[in-house]
Amino acid sequence: EIVMTQSPATLSVSPGERATLSCRASQSVSSNLAWYQQKPGQAPRLLIYGASTRATGIPARFSGSGSGTEFTLTISSLQSEDFAVYYCQSAWTFGQGTKVEIK
Amino acid sequence: EVQLVESGGGLVQPGGSLKLSCAASGFTFSGSAMHWVRQASGKGLEWVGRIRSKANSYATAYAASVKGRFTISRDDSKNTAYLQMNSLKTEDTAVYYCTRQRRGELWPPDFDYWGQGTLVTVSS
Repeated sequence: EIVMTQSPATLSVSPGERATLSCRASQSVSSNLAWYQQKPGQAPRLLIYGASTRATGIPARFSGSGSGTEFTLTISSLQSEDFAVYYCQSAWTFGQGTKVEIK
Repeated sequence: EVQLVESGGGLVQPGGSLKLSCAASGFTFSGSAMHWVRQASGKGLEWVGRIRSKANSYATAYAASVKGRFTISRDDSKNTAYLQMNSLKTEDTAVYYCTRQRRGELWPPDFDYWGQGTLVTVSS
């Protein structure tokens, strides 16, 4: 079973700054890696699939990179609506999430 | 517009049963693999299981934590997926989401559309 580990658990960032979130797989998942954003009381929203492809309607400030076991989600300039919890996922496994909070 | 609407959640005693429904619209439901994902309060996302299409024999798969207790089915004539939950435990308390697998069924899944979720509470 693949284990997905996200870091950090919480990231404090000021609006307008860059946020970098990490996700590590316990074994290679090639590029089969997705990122989701979840706000309180809402369902998750697909941001990135295939490690680096933005889903429909996702702003260009969100970018994904990596392959194999190491992946990164970058938010280039945080907007107020970006403060949320972010999950990575591969196959049937989700990471534990990274909360991006206002600094 | 794609929509997934879950229903059927509620309060149930430990050992009891509950059946959730997921009504789909706006896409070719019969050709899509459908999954259930749950989230306990304040916790992360946990994959529960999936069902493939008729073309792939309605194949199902389940997380170890629910295998043997939960059953996923579908009725393509009603564009609806179901999650039958038996022998419920307090640790099954969560919001249950249905979600669509974005790409071909035989590929590793990711999920492009999600329902709003339905809350299941298992408590005496």
